[in-house]
Amino acid sequence: ELKVEQNPLFLSMQEGKNYTIYCNYSTTSDRLYWYRQDPGKSLESLFVLLSNGAVKQEGRLMASLDTKARLSTLHITAAVHDLSATYFCAVPDTSGTYKYIFGTGTRLKVLA
Amino acid sequence: NAGVTQTPKFRVLKTGQSMTLLCAQDMNHEYMYWYRQDPGMGLRLIHYSVGEGTTAKGEVPDGYNVSRLKKQNFLLGLESAAPSQTSVYFCASRKTGTGELFFGEGSRLTVL
Repeated sequence: ELKVEQNPLFLSMQEGKNYTIYCNYSTTSDRLYWYRQDPGKSLESLFVLLSNGAVKQEGRLMASLDTKARLSTLHITAAVHDLSATYFCAVPDTSGTYKYIFGTGTRLKVLA
Repeated sequence: NAGVTQTPKFRVLKTGQSMTLLCAQDMNHEYMYWYRQDPGMGLRLIHYSVGEGTTAKGEVPDGYNVSRLKKQNFLLGLESAAPSQTSVYFCASRKTGTGELFFGEGSRLTVL
């Protein structure tokens, strides 16, 4: 059974600081997705990582994928309050079912 | 471009009542998904569909039924609602190629 684990589950950080969110998964998937969810809102796509070594950057966020380690990281550089949200990683099931399994999410709070 | 649209946005049911959630997408995507989101549980897959006329069970299918009579629509039904089905329900469709998911705004269901 595919398992996707994120850590930390909660993260409170000061503005201007750097931090990394980790996403570990248990299968051989070569794809991984990051989504952002604001309170009471839907999920919006942040990054699509489609191969080993993929790195994507958008503003203060950078995501990377290491398929050999079955690990993806979401790095936050010089955090600002607007980044406060819950971040989810998602991995497609590689058994041919076309299912996606989500991590439990990391709730990020950036303090001014 | 509407993307993925869910109706209704909010609904309150009494135990034992039935209802249907409608998901409509205008992106011509083949695959569609229904997730539920509960505090501390992340997103859990209820049912999904890989094409018109096909459906399959996800992680938590009990108490739900689905239908995909038209490619653009994916319906989620609750035949006899239970308080344990109080949740926020998200529909998503999958972009061909990248596999990126696009989510609807969510439907908040309360079962009393």
